[in-house]
Amino acid sequence: EVQLVESGGGLVQPGRSLRLSCSASGFTFDDYAMHWVRQAPGKGLEWVSGISWNSGSTGYADFVKGRFSISRDNAKNSLYLQMNSLSTEDTALYYCVKDLFTSIAVGGSFDYWGQGTLVTVSS
Amino acid sequence: EIVLTQSPATLSLSPGERATLSCRASQSIGTYLAWYQQKPGQAPRLLIYDASNRATGFPATFSGSGSGTDFTLTISSLEPEDFAVYYCQQRDSWPFTFGPGTKVDIK
Repeated sequence: EVQLVESGGGLVQPGRSLRLSCSASGFTFDDYAMHWVRQAPGKGLEWVSGISWNSGSTGYADFVKGRFSISRDNAKNSLYLQMNSLSTEDTALYYCVKDLFTSIAVGGSFDYWGQGTLVTVSS
Repeated sequence: EIVLTQSPATLSLSPGERATLSCRASQSIGTYLAWYQQKPGQAPRLLIYDASNRATGFPATFSGSGSGTDFTLTISSLEPEDFAVYYCQQRDSWPFTFGPGTKVDIK
């Protein structure tokens, strides 16, 4: 059974940093690209960032470029999101998401989702 | 960035009725479009990928069609558990983007 468990969320002041982690199990982690998708309270879904299976390709939404950094450790079956210069607009539930496609650097369809970790940016 | 628009924003229907949801892309994305279903308090679920391929766990009452800039999700006969929010999403190019969603609620 595929499981994605996020951690690292919490309350943080504007301008500060936070690092999210995602622990994956139930599939061959290094066969798939991985992503972060967020959802502000009562709002829609926003793709935040994605990383290929071997970390060779990464992509970011325009609203996080230069502030967020995605990484992964295939030996630990883990995905990370380093978030710097946080603003109140970054308040959201952050989902760790598995890519549907294998053998593609980054496919871009999302077949398994964690339950999310809540990031609240407030003074 | 490719912008996706969805219509209508809300669709009020009764169980057994047919639902037709639309998603339009700001530029051609081939068939690189997915649909997700999200119920309150739950993570989204992949419903359709590459415009017309149904994901595991969803019945044949769900179907997707379209290519280029215009796409449609059809639910042929609504079951009580189908009332939810549906999002489209493109994977044609970075950054991947979602539409704003269509809420299908009970009339």
